Amino acid sequence: AQSVTQLGSHVSVSEGALVLLRCNYSSSVPPYLFWYVQYPNQGLQLLLKYTTGATLVKGINGFEAEFKKSETSFHLTKPSAHMSDAAEYFCAVSTLGANSKLTFGKGITLSVRP
Amino acid sequence: DAGVIQSPRHEVTEMGQEVTLRCKPISGHDYLFWYRQTMMRGLELLIYFNNNVPIDDSGMPEDRFSAKMPNASFSTLKIQPSEPRDSAVYFCASSLGPLETDTQYFGPGTRLTVL
Repeated sequence: AQSVTQLGSHVSVSEGALVLLRCNYSSSVPPYLFWYVQYPNQGLQLLLKYTTGATLVKGINGFEAEFKKSETSFHLTKPSAHMSDAAEYFCAVSTLGANSKLTFGKGITLSVRP
Repeated sequence: DAGVIQSPRHEVTEMGQEVTLRCKPISGHDYLFWYRQTMMRGLELLIYFNNNVPIDDSGMPEDRFSAKMPNASFSTLKIQPSEPRDSAVYFCASSLGPLETDTQYFGPGTRLTVL
């Protein structure tokens, strides 16, 4: 079975500071990895995903994530936080095969201080 | 495209009542998903369809929950009878291709409160 761990439930950064949201996964087969963002009172939308190929993935709004197999991690980063980045962020994992599904982490709330 | 459309956006009902949530996926998308989001359990997949056929309903909590997709442009999630523990935000999502790799597009959700 696959799983996702997002440690902590809340991260607060100052505007202009580095954003780092951690995600670790567990999977017995090669994973596909996703980051979704949820703004207040809205549905989730895809930030970026890793399926195959380059392990450094660039997404929308200046976010990127790097797949590190040895560390079973897919941490999300952004060099400079903006007030509009305040939202909830979900890491998710899926795998090919029978009974596959997209498994989401608990989510992390990002606050950005002026 | 208008995106995934869900109705109603908010639903307040009393315990024991039947609740029907509705979803219109993005045109041309072959996959449709129903999720439930709560503070305690996070985001859970309830059921998903491929070409209107239910593929995996292992996430449906119990027999009180049922979902249908009579055609490619409409799906319903029904709870009968409803209970206070069903209070949550229910999301519908759709994708062009398989859930393993394809982007899912989420609707705005239905916030259900069961009193």
